[in-house]
Amino acid sequence: GQQLNQSPQSMFIQEGEDVSMNCTSSSIFNTWLWYKQDPGEGPVLLIALYKAGELTSNGRLTAQFGITRKDSFLNISASIPSDVGIYFCAGFNAGNNRKLIWGLGTSLAVNP
Amino acid sequence: NAGVMQNPRHLVRRRGQEARLRCSPMKGHSHVYWYRQLPEEGLKFMVYLQKENIIDESGMPKERFSAEFPKEGPSILRIQQVVRGDSAAYFCASSPNVGTSGSEQYFGPGTRLTVT
Repeated sequence: GQQLNQSPQSMFIQEGEDVSMNCTSSSIFNTWLWYKQDPGEGPVLLIALYKAGELTSNGRLTAQFGITRKDSFLNISASIPSDVGIYFCAGFNAGNNRKLIWGLGTSLAVNP
Repeated sequence: NAGVMQNPRHLVRRRGQEARLRCSPMKGHSHVYWYRQLPEEGLKFMVYLQKENIIDESGMPKERFSAEFPKEGPSILRIQQVVRGDSAAYFCASSPNVGTSGSEQYFGPGTRLTVT
């Protein structure tokens, strides 16, 4: 099935550093979603973006919906150990039978 | 407002047995999605259901797997005659009914199925 290109695949950073990850698609989307999954748990919705160009923050997290509607990025500022986990992007179009199209995830490790 | 609930959290089955995984969506949500995840991999869509209807089962294996979401009670993912390759984490998600937030899916904690 269709998948989004999510990069990087993994990151290993020092506590306090900023993090940036992104997702790109060959198709346009009406909605971009960013999730975080902790080990042994289900994904948790972090940020939802509904409009091209939209920039939305949730604490130290900031995400943007690309102008072309084919990409999105997620930034984490001043990382802390509890930021460790896998971050997934997902795109949505109403015409796609309400299915989300998923990236393969970015695995983040933070060295205290 | 309770989140999406799944049970059991862990399920061990011998090869050939049946596995039944349950999912109760968030209150007011009537859209349910099932996903499968192997270790170190992403989420693989299996099936999308509304109350009493299967809307999209394009990700479900054709044999041994079935899903339902009855008018009353939880959604059930049923795997008959399990094989070792069915071992995985199975996640359920639900979404609101209308509006732009209808795209937002909220996940349960998952059921980890181990087939011995």
